[in-house]
Amino acid sequence: KAGVTQTPRYLIKTRGQQVTLSCSPISGHRSVSWYQQTPGQGLQFLFEYFSETQRNKGNFPGRFSGRQFSNSRSEMNVSTLELGDSALYLCASSSHGWDRNNEQFFGPGTRLTVL
Amino acid sequence: AQKVTQAQTEISVVEKEDVTLDCVYETRDTTYYLFWYKQPPSGELVFLIRRNSFDEQNEISGRYSWNFQKSTSSFNFTITASQVVDSAVYFCALSDMDSSYKLIFGSGTRLLVRP
Repeated sequence: KAGVTQTPRYLIKTRGQQVTLSCSPISGHRSVSWYQQTPGQGLQFLFEYFSETQRNKGNFPGRFSGRQFSNSRSEMNVSTLELGDSALYLCASSSHGWDRNNEQFFGPGTRLTVL
Repeated sequence: AQKVTQAQTEISVVEKEDVTLDCVYETRDTTYYLFWYKQPPSGELVFLIRRNSFDEQNEISGRYSWNFQKSTSSFNFTITASQVVDSAVYFCALSDMDSSYKLIFGSGTRLLVRP
C-alpha cells in the first residue's frame, strides 16, 4: 500500500507570491491534516479535511487555506507569502478522522523557502 | 488548555547506552490519546506508538518501551541499548476532544547516538 505522498518536495518562492502544495493520502483514507513545522514554533496544526469538508482549523491567518477533492487528495494554498512562512509542511492521513484509534500517517513533507 | 512538554532539548549518548525521553502533558479531558513519533533527517514523521488514557499498561516493543503514568501526567519513552540509527528528533503528542482531536506536539527531543 503506497504511503502518503506530497508534491513538490522542495519549493522556493519570493515574498508576495502564492503557493499551492499537494497531498495524496493513503488509499481509502478520508481524513487529511496539514501541519507546519518551523524551528521557532515547532509543529503546529493548520487544518483537517474529511470528505471534502474542513472540520478543524488551527490558529493561522486567512492567507492559509485548503481544500479536499472527492478522491481525498488535498491541497493547501498560501497567498501573499511572507518570510516567516518558510517551513516544512507536513500532511497526514488517517482512515476516519474522528476515531482516534486510527493513527495519522505522515508524508515526507514539502520544504518551502520564501526569499 | 492542552500542552505537551518535552524538557530535554537534546540528548547525546554513546551506542549501547539506555536513554529515556521525557514527556509531560496537560489536558482537562478524561479521554485522550498520547503518541510518540520519530523524525529522522529525511523529515518524515514515523509513528511509534499510541496510547489511550484508559490504558496505563506499559508497553515494550523490541528495544523500545513506554511508561505511561496518569498520576504524574507523563508518558516517557526508553530506548534500550541505543544504536546510531536511533539518532533522530522524537516528538511526543497529545490528542483530545477539547482540541477536536488534532495532534498537539511537544517541542521535540533531538537524540544523538554516537558510535
